[in-house]
Amino acid sequence: SQQGEEDPQALSIQEGENATMNCSYKTSINNLQWYRQNSGRGLVHLILIRSNEREKHSGRLRVTLDTSKKSSSLLITASRAADTASYFCAASLYNNNDMRFGAGTRLTVKP
Amino acid sequence: DAGVTQSPTHLIKTRGQQVTLRCSPKSGHDTVSWYQQALGQGPQFIFQYYEEEERQRGNFPDRFSGHQFPNYSSELNVNALLLGDSALYLCASSLVAGGPDEQFFGPGTRLTVL
Repeated sequence: SQQGEEDPQALSIQEGENATMNCSYKTSINNLQWYRQNSGRGLVHLILIRSNEREKHSGRLRVTLDTSKKSSSLLITASRAADTASYFCAASLYNNNDMRFGAGTRLTVKP
Repeated sequence: DAGVTQSPTHLIKTRGQQVTLRCSPKSGHDTVSWYQQALGQGPQFIFQYYEEEERQRGNFPDRFSGHQFPNYSSELNVNALLLGDSALYLCASSLVAGGPDEQFFGPGTRLTVL
């Protein structure tokens, strides 16, 4: 069964704007990870946030985690056309043994 | 430093046939996980191998089986193929020691069942 659920399913913005994607999960987690996938190819790891962390940054990426609401958000600032991809959150219950993905958010950044 | 590699890139089979997909983990990694990703969906966890044993399994039938070799590479076998097995099969590697870590994914094998 799916653990992470992304919202919205699709997002279209102009280059330079910020993009926010949300993820909800159902049970207590050990960590949550965000991945990017271009056109049905392999997934690229973006960021991992542990259950005892509330916020992490990596370049133009900012991830927050609210364990009380069982939700996470991914913010991409100053978006570029190259950011066009599908973004997935994956929640892990124990280490990486049970990493469950949502259906993803399809982001389109228009030049 | 080679990342995760998978072979073949594409594969076409007919219903009832058997297929074997292969994965070589990133250098230094000892754990391999397999995922199935149907079109328009997120990856679904099939199983994970560590120390040549299946550690955990997702909700997949016994037609899906795997193996891990002493060099940490892995195979995914699917018997009695169904049309619904058509998907992108992704392999991911990680390092168990040291606790939770990100998984590195390969480019995937696109399986089409006719």
